[in-house]
Amino acid sequence: EPEVTQTPSHQVTQMGQEVILRCVPISNHLYFYWYRQILGQKVEFLVSFYNNEISEKSEIFDDQFSVERPDGSNFTLKIRSTKLEDSAMYFCASSVGLARNEQFFGPGTRLTVL
Amino acid sequence: RKEVEQDPGPFNVPEGATVAFNCTYSNSASQSFFWYRQDCRKEPKLLMSVYSSGNEDGRFTAQLNRASQYISLLIRDSKLSDSATYLCVVYAGGGNKLTFGTGTQLKVEL
Repeated sequence: EPEVTQTPSHQVTQMGQEVILRCVPISNHLYFYWYRQILGQKVEFLVSFYNNEISEKSEIFDDQFSVERPDGSNFTLKIRSTKLEDSAMYFCASSVGLARNEQFFGPGTRLTVL
Repeated sequence: RKEVEQDPGPFNVPEGATVAFNCTYSNSASQSFFWYRQDCRKEPKLLMSVYSSGNEDGRFTAQLNRASQYISLLIRDSKLSDSATYLCVVYAGGGNKLTFGTGTQLKVEL
């Protein structure tokens, strides 16, 4: 069964450093997403991406965040200057299309900012 | 009012029991509804989609009441492996954003 993959599984960084989280969505999916989950809290939407453009972003997704699809398979989330409060689990998800919108999630990257 | 509201639980039930979870949503324009399951420190996994008046998949039944903006999940003959957090998730259209509830924790015991 095809699945979303993410690397690394755990990233530890110093405050102020840049991090890039990587995802490989399911191959025939056209819509890609990033969500985050702070420990003990609910899953929160960050950004959705379609046709090489951001289609929606949340208030959390400020100028410190960016997304990119650098090639035909990878989808990345960059945090330019990490803060302590960026520590969370970051999930990538993908879906076939808009109408059904069943999103499938990757295993997540646990980001720890020290 | 929260966008998606769930009773956090935990619900502690014996194996074989029937358990029901409820969820309410605030946006009347919401289009699609889902139940996801999340194990501790793992990703949300799609359990069921709820598109119209309800959905059944084996031991799991989901119901939708659009007038009351209410969704439910019924688990029959619960197994130890059903122990997890169940997330009520709503899609309101637009950019494909999903809105998650905080989840209801289920513990199935021997």
